Amino acid sequence: AQKVTQAQTEISVVEKEDVTLDCVYETRDTTYYLFWYKQPPSGELVFLIRRNSFDEQNEISGRYSWNFQKSTSSFNFTITASQVVDSAVYFCALTPLSMNRDDKIIFGKGTRLHILP
Amino acid sequence: GAGVSQSPRYKVAKRGQDVALRCDPISGHVSLFWYQQALGQGPEFLTYFQNEAQLDKSGLPSDRFFAERPEGSVSTLKIQRTQQEDSAVYLCASSLTIWDFWAGELFFGEGSRLTVL
Repeated sequence: AQKVTQAQTEISVVEKEDVTLDCVYETRDTTYYLFWYKQPPSGELVFLIRRNSFDEQNEISGRYSWNFQKSTSSFNFTITASQVVDSAVYFCALTPLSMNRDDKIIFGKGTRLHILP
Repeated sequence: GAGVSQSPRYKVAKRGQDVALRCDPISGHVSLFWYQQALGQGPEFLTYFQNEAQLDKSGLPSDRFFAERPEGSVSTLKIQRTQQEDSAVYLCASSLTIWDFWAGELFFGEGSRLTVL
């Protein structure tokens, strides 16, 4: 089964706190991509990061960092020193790359993040 | 335009009415995707075009849903005899090629919110 689970439906933190959004995935494929997208109130999905299943290096981009652990099938996302503008729904997603290359992204249900001033 | 444009942004339909949702992808983008996002859920794949060819329509929920892209640019998603369960945001996305899609270079529009009364 191909599945992405974001157990946290909604999180509220006070501005400047750090916050981690959890993502656990299931796939039968050995090669896959993982993504994080941000969906602000305007509705469009904004690409944040892609990770190849062969690349387990953690990545940092400004206040954002991602922790990919294949052993636990997790791809967690941390925002450091959160800001009100970070308030949005965040989606973790998976694209399996099997022999029949797939054209679908499988999304989790999202985590709604509220950053309180 | 610079991004993916969708119209109408909001549509209210009476049950049984037909609706048509339009997507203008980024100019030159070969791949076009439609996703359905129910309230509080992640987007779910509906269909995929490469130019004018509809290569995958496995996500269309019923034969009341029909999508076309006759000239390989603008796409229309048509829903016939709308039902209340069709209420959702319909997201369109495009990428330059399918390879760019796998690289995470997928650009989403702001969506068309359909409410069926």
